[in-house]
Amino acid sequence: QVQLVESGGGLVKPGGSLRLSCAASGFSFSDYYMSWIRQAPGKGLEWISYISSSDRSSTTTKYYADSVKGRFTISRDNAKNSLYLEMNSLRPEDTAVYYCARDDGSRIWDYWGQGALVTVSS
Amino acid sequence: DIQMTQSPSSLPASVGDRVTITCQASQDITVSLSWFQQKPGKAPKLLISDASDLAAGVPSRFSASGSGTDFSLTISSLQPEDIATYYCQQYDILPYTFGQGTKLEI
Repeated sequence: QVQLVESGGGLVKPGGSLRLSCAASGFSFSDYYMSWIRQAPGKGLEWISYISSSDRSSTTTKYYADSVKGRFTISRDNAKNSLYLEMNSLRPEDTAVYYCARDDGSRIWDYWGQGALVTVSS
Repeated sequence: DIQMTQSPSSLPASVGDRVTITCQASQDITVSLSWFQQKPGKAPKLLISDASDLAAGVPSRFSASGSGTDFSLTISSLQPEDIATYYCQQYDILPYTFGQGTKLEI
């Protein structure tokens, strides 16, 4: 069955960095677009980034929300069935649960991970 | 960015009630709309895509409709396990955006 498992969350100081991972199983990971969505404590959901599947030259397309553009980098390793989110220059407002989600091919997020909590605080 | 406005923000309801949540987009998104259910401490779960298509395994008491800017999600007979927060989300234009959520309460 499809499984997405995030890891790498934790407590980091403002200005610090963190790398989240999302391990995928139960489907052909390389064929799917993937996204990161976050949820601040007690708040709603915010899409932050997506990465396309790789084309024949292994090129991917990436998009970011303005709130993270220039600070966060999404990437994937199809050989490891893994999705990543490199987060730099972290701010207190980046404190959230971060979810990875699979795009079914029609921009619909049909499977989500359980989430990883990132806390940015001094 | 496309703004998604849900109403109400909270909805007191009883088991067996018919409940309807509405979602309005700030511009035409055709039918590029999903509905998600989220229970406390859990990841969101896809209920509906393309404005009215029930996701696999979702009970038939859930239905949805709409196109353009106005959408709705209906639960025909509320069950205890339906107590959750519901979000609409547009995927017509980046950045993909969510409504603020509707919390169903007993």
